[in-house]
Amino acid sequence: QQQVKQSPQSLIVQKGGIPIINCAYENTAFDYFPWYQQFPGKGPALLIAIRPDVSEKKEGRFTISFNKSAKQFSLHIMDSQPGDSATYFCAASGNAGNMLTFGGGTRLMVKP
Amino acid sequence: GAVVSQHPSRVICKSGTSVKIECRSLDFQATTMFWYRQFPKQSLMLMATSNEGSKATYEQGVEKDKFLINHASLTLSTLTVTSAHPEDSSFYICSATGGLYNEQFFGPGTRLTVL
Repeated sequence: QQQVKQSPQSLIVQKGGIPIINCAYENTAFDYFPWYQQFPGKGPALLIAIRPDVSEKKEGRFTISFNKSAKQFSLHIMDSQPGDSATYFCAASGNAGNMLTFGGGTRLMVKP
Repeated sequence: GAVVSQHPSRVICKSGTSVKIECRSLDFQATTMFWYRQFPKQSLMLMATSNEGSKATYEQGVEKDKFLINHASLTLSTLTVTSAHPEDSSFYICSATGGLYNEQFFGPGTRLTVL
């Protein structure tokens, strides 16, 4: 019930492409879904987060799509750049300040 | 805003010694801090939840006597790895909740290598 499943594990796109990373959860008590970006040897950085009362949220080139009935959410990166190459983690919790349950991570490579 | 720092960024120690890692929220007060460890190419594994002024809550399988956590103030939490062994070598990351929406912000991590 606490698991968050993330796919794919790795992803390679060309510059300008739109990588899509998907996550699915089981616990219906989750109501906060953040995405983190992590570069090698660094801590995760909060990218964007969504709550179940909206189906989509956009910040810059990053968009979260949320499907409450399917218990799925996804991250889209528009006009991807080589500098976006990193590991992306989805997460979920019952409240923004509470313990996060992380997905397994997706290693994204954007080729020039 | 919402900056979390960790010190040291990397440490190498001999087996059997103890290592202290500091986690600070620089521009906000954090009532709750979390400690994670991360192995190469893996996700973050929560070790413990730390609330200011109270004992830390450890996740199942994490030895509380080996990983001592002290959250003495609203801006500082420390993790002490006691009697470190090579299998404790890992990337340790802290996070703190704060900001307008009480979100979790992560520190830059500490790379521990035990020889």
